[in-house]
Amino acid sequence: GQQVMQIPQYQHVQEGEDFTTYCNSSTTLSNIQWYKQRPGGHPVFLIQLVKSGEVKKQKRLTFQFGEAKKNSSLHITATQTTDVGTYFCAGEHRDSGTYKYIFGTGTRLKVLA
Amino acid sequence: DTEVTQTPKHLVMGMTNKKSLKCEQHMGHRAMYWYKQKAKKPPELMFVYSYEKLSINESVPSRFSPECPNSSLLNLHLHALQPEDSALYLCASSRPTTVAGANVLTFGAGSRLTVL
Repeated sequence: GQQVMQIPQYQHVQEGEDFTTYCNSSTTLSNIQWYKQRPGGHPVFLIQLVKSGEVKKQKRLTFQFGEAKKNSSLHITATQTTDVGTYFCAGEHRDSGTYKYIFGTGTRLKVLA
Repeated sequence: DTEVTQTPKHLVMGMTNKKSLKCEQHMGHRAMYWYKQKAKKPPELMFVYSYEKLSINESVPSRFSPECPNSSLLNLHLHALQPEDSALYLCASSRPTTVAGANVLTFGAGSRLTVL
């Protein structure tokens, strides 16, 4: 079946340091989404990448979709304590005419003040 | 505030009980989803409804029974659950699932289920 792995599983950084999480799919994806889940909260949509090699920025966050559309990355510059949470990528897969999202294993980020 | 409302927020039930989780959205979305999330794990897809019809069942045990009475409501009926079914159950909605790249998921806050 479809698998989406993320590394690292955990990351502790000092406030102000950069952070990157990598997402790898076992199959080619039509697009990929990123979600953030704060501790005790629910996943919240951040961004969607559709094109091969696409790069998108949201303030301190930079998202990239690989050329082969099988991997993606999220980079946060100068982390802040508000960045704490688990970051999930989610790959879109077609299943009998319906599109569904398979979540990656997630990267849990802790930011030390 | 989330635009997808789930009730109850917390539920404790015995293995012989019958209970239901409810989900409501008023964004005009025509696709609704149930996900199960165990602690420190990613959300795991259970069911997808598209235009009120069940379109995906990810081989979920029959003790979980979904229902979509109308385009705004989604229920998950629970019966004869096991302690290992204890988890956070997340409802989500999106625009229809038949177009690639069109389906941004909006999640509810979840129902935390404990099975004794």
